[in-house]
Amino acid sequence: GAVVSQHPSRVICKSGTSVKIECRSLDFQATTMFWYRQFPKQSLMLMATSNEGSKATYEQGVEKDKFLINHASLTLSTLTVTSAHPEDSSFYICSALKWDRANYGYTFGSGTRLTVV
Amino acid sequence: QKEVEQDPGPLSVPEGAIVSLNCTYSNSAFQYFMWYRQYSRKGPELLMYTYSSGNKEDGRFTAQVDKSSKYISLFIRDSQPSDSATYLCAMSSSYSSASKIIFGSGTRLSIRP
Repeated sequence: GAVVSQHPSRVICKSGTSVKIECRSLDFQATTMFWYRQFPKQSLMLMATSNEGSKATYEQGVEKDKFLINHASLTLSTLTVTSAHPEDSSFYICSALKWDRANYGYTFGSGTRLTVV
Repeated sequence: QKEVEQDPGPLSVPEGAIVSLNCTYSNSAFQYFMWYRQYSRKGPELLMYTYSSGNKEDGRFTAQVDKSSKYISLFIRDSQPSDSATYLCAMSSSYSSASKIIFGSGTRLSIRP
């Protein structure tokens, strides 16, 4: 089945530093990937849509200068949390759509737990 | 009003029981309906996908879609402790790699041994 690899799975960083999270589609090409944020016991909140070769589309209320997205190839999208603060601590998940008529749906990465201290 | 409503639970049932999970939605344009399972601190895993109205069965899982009522369900038969997780419904209006998927808030399910 389709696999999306996300790295790192867990990161702790100091306040004010930047953190990069990678999302790779391992066995398919993904022109579009999505980045979500999830707080404890809450659902997924779409942050942005990452488009290969073009600028990302951010959801309302998401700071594009804080959450930098780069989708330089058909298999890799990166999310960089710049000047991280404790309130940025969260679970970040990427996803990509791998579909055929029998099994439409998004495949998710395993998530990255970011803790800013 | 949220586009997709889902009871957050928690829902606790004994092992072997039939579990019914439900979502309602307001956007009549939704045509693709999915159920995801998410274990703690993991990414969601696609369980079932249904297009338009109807039923779909896969092992112990059955997904139902009633577009006239804007209501979808996931049934789990012979529930097992390993089914304990958060279940998210999700839906989309377009069969496109760029189409957004709207998620429900998730229902936390616990199966008691």
